[in-house]
Amino acid sequence: DTAVSQTPKYLVTQMGNDKSIKCEQNLGHDTMYWYKQDSKKFLKIMFSYNNKELIINETVPNRFSPKSPDKAHLNLHINSLELGDSAVYFCASSLGPSSTDTQYFGPGTRLTVL
Amino acid sequence: AQSVTQPDIHITVSEGASLELRCNYSYGATPYLFWYVQSPGQGLQLLLKYFSGDTLVQGIKGFEAEFKRSQSSFNLRKPSVHWSDAAEYFCAVGAGSNTGKLIFGQGTTLQVKP
Repeated sequence: DTAVSQTPKYLVTQMGNDKSIKCEQNLGHDTMYWYKQDSKKFLKIMFSYNNKELIINETVPNRFSPKSPDKAHLNLHINSLELGDSAVYFCASSLGPSSTDTQYFGPGTRLTVL
Repeated sequence: AQSVTQPDIHITVSEGASLELRCNYSYGATPYLFWYVQSPGQGLQLLLKYFSGDTLVQGIKGFEAEFKRSQSSFNLRKPSVHWSDAAEYFCAVGAGSNTGKLIFGQGTTLQVKP
């Protein structure tokens, strides 16, 4: 059984479009995250939700809007896509928001903006 | 500000040889330290973590890491590398006890020669 799943795995789209990436975890965790990995493989946190409440919002453009309909899901919606949004986006989850709680990562969604 | 530096962008070792991947961190308090591995096209998997106690920690797949406070280092080691260890390795520090925020290093690409 997949612990943290993301859809789609690949996403190719044109500049200016709006797209969503979905994430689901079946681990019963309370906390979920979105990370962005750029072309140089640098990994940076974007958002974190605990019990559906936003607890981390790094300096991410307003075009990015996370939504957590329930504790098992954290979706990422991106408006007006730009070339610089091309990256691999990883979802992760952990038991709680403590730094001592292991984060489990999904397989990633490779977004390519043309 | 918290930061993690992995000085070696790319390392090549022969199968069966020993391995050491370097990680240096900058953090004011006692750090929570992690090593993750990312296989090609996959998400990140936790290898090991250090919170307190014994400074030599054992992880999965035969990896270990040693925390040295005086050197602000948390180097990853393996006595004998297997071809399947070829992957991207990330060191990370927990940057907030109640947020789960992880700050990652730039990653080290490990190539294993037959």
